[in-house]
Amino acid sequence: GAGVSQTPSNKVTEKGKYVELRCDPISGHTALYWYRQSLGQGPEFLIYFQGTGAADDSGLPNDRFFAVRPEGSVSTLKIQRTERGDSAVYLCASSPTRQETQYFGPGTRLLVL
Amino acid sequence: KQEVTQIPAALSVPEGENLVLNCSFTDSAIYNLQWFRQDPGKGLTSLLLIQSSQREQTSGRLNASLDKSSGRSTLYIAASQPGDSATYLCAVGRRNTGNQFYFGTGTSLTVIP
Repeated sequence: GAGVSQTPSNKVTEKGKYVELRCDPISGHTALYWYRQSLGQGPEFLIYFQGTGAADDSGLPNDRFFAVRPEGSVSTLKIQRTERGDSAVYLCASSPTRQETQYFGPGTRLLVL
Repeated sequence: KQEVTQIPAALSVPEGENLVLNCSFTDSAIYNLQWFRQDPGKGLTSLLLIQSSQREQTSGRLNASLDKSSGRSTLYIAASQPGDSATYLCAVGRRNTGNQFYFGTGTSLTVIP
């Protein structure tokens, strides 16, 4: 079946602009996670959704970052007033329940100039 | 905060050799532990998931062990192949509402034909 998909695969923007990154989880997966991976590092947790609600957003670095999952499937990560330090690969993962294997998408490479 | 360390950072072996990758974590109160591989420019592929109550998991040529009390996990790869060349990431599941992962920085493996 289809895996986790993320769009766009690459995004180049200018400092100060607003960006949206989309994640389509595996159908039926109730748990959805966003991570951020900088070059040479492991992924870093940003936010976790259980259904439509953000169960844990403790990893969001500041209030410029926000994510939604209005119907419990597709999720959008929104970054306002982008900064060069936001440049990274943003990864989305989903799992049937929180106890089970997380399946990752290919990521969105964000470059802020 | 959970700290996850992976040793070695890089490893190069001849084809056919058996090898062990190491992962250590500072807080033994984990939910589970998952090993992933990441190919250059790609997302993460799940290899093995070990629940906190388990000691090991096996899949094909891969065997992962977990010793919570000492804060260690190992990934054993038997009869390595060039196709095993990738970065291997260890992720420790946090025991709270969401099972967010804390990742190590990975071991970059090269299997030489």
